Amino acid sequence: DAKTTQPPSMDCAEGRAANLPCNHSTISGNEYVYWYRQIHSQGPQYIIHGLKNNETNEMASLIITEDRKSSTLILPHATLRDTAVYYCIVRVGGTYKYIFGTGTRLKVLA
Amino acid sequence: EAGVTQFPSHSVIEKGQTVTLRCDPISGHDNLYWYRRVMGKEIKFLLHFVKESKQDESGMPNNRFLAERTGGTYSTLKVQPAELEDSGVYFCASSPKRLSTDTQYFGPGTRLTVL
Repeated sequence: DAKTTQPPSMDCAEGRAANLPCNHSTISGNEYVYWYRQIHSQGPQYIIHGLKNNETNEMASLIITEDRKSSTLILPHATLRDTAVYYCIVRVGGTYKYIFGTGTRLKVLA
Repeated sequence: EAGVTQFPSHSVIEKGQTVTLRCDPISGHDNLYWYRRVMGKEIKFLLHFVKESKQDESGMPNNRFLAERTGGTYSTLKVQPAELEDSGVYFCASSPKRLSTDTQYFGPGTRLTVL
C-alpha cells in the first residue's frame, strides 16, 4: 500500500497561508489523495481530496504535483481554530481503505 | 443531521476481559468502516461493511476481534479477550454511496484502555 510522509509539526501565523506538504512517492495511478484534520478529542474531519488536478473548496486548496508523488494542502488564511493535526491520506485503488500518514501538528499563532 | 456516534466514549477494562464497542453511522449510509490508532502509531484501517456484509476485513489484527453489522444499521466491534496492545482509540466512519470517491465521515472515537 502507498505510504505518506508528513513533517511532524509546523507553525503558522494567524492570517497567513498555511502550506502543509505530503510525500506519497509510491502512489498508484488510481489512488486518490485525501486530507483530513483532527481537532483535539474529535474524529478526523474531511477537508479535500483529489486525483490529478488541483482542487479548491471553501476550506482549502490541494496542489498535486504533475508526477503525483507529492501534494500540498493550503489553508489560505489560517485562524486559531485551524490548530489541529492534519492527515494526508491515500485511498487504496479499487477499495475504500484509507492509508493514514502520521500527520502534521499545525499550530496557528496569534 | 446527526453525525456518526460511538459508544462508549471511554472504556477501561482488564486484560482478558471482553469489550464491545458500538457505532451508529449517519442515517442512510450503506458503508461503515472501523479504524484504530494504537499508541504512537498511525490510524489504521480495520474493516469495511457494505450494509450488513463485510466487504474488506484485511485490517483486522487477529481473531480476537469480531465486527458485526446486523440489519445493516449500527455496528459492533467486540474484542475478546482483550490484550494490553489493544489499547488505543477506535474510530468508526460511514459514507453514503457505493462510489470510490466517497468521503468518509468519522465519529469521535472510543478510547479503550486495557490494564
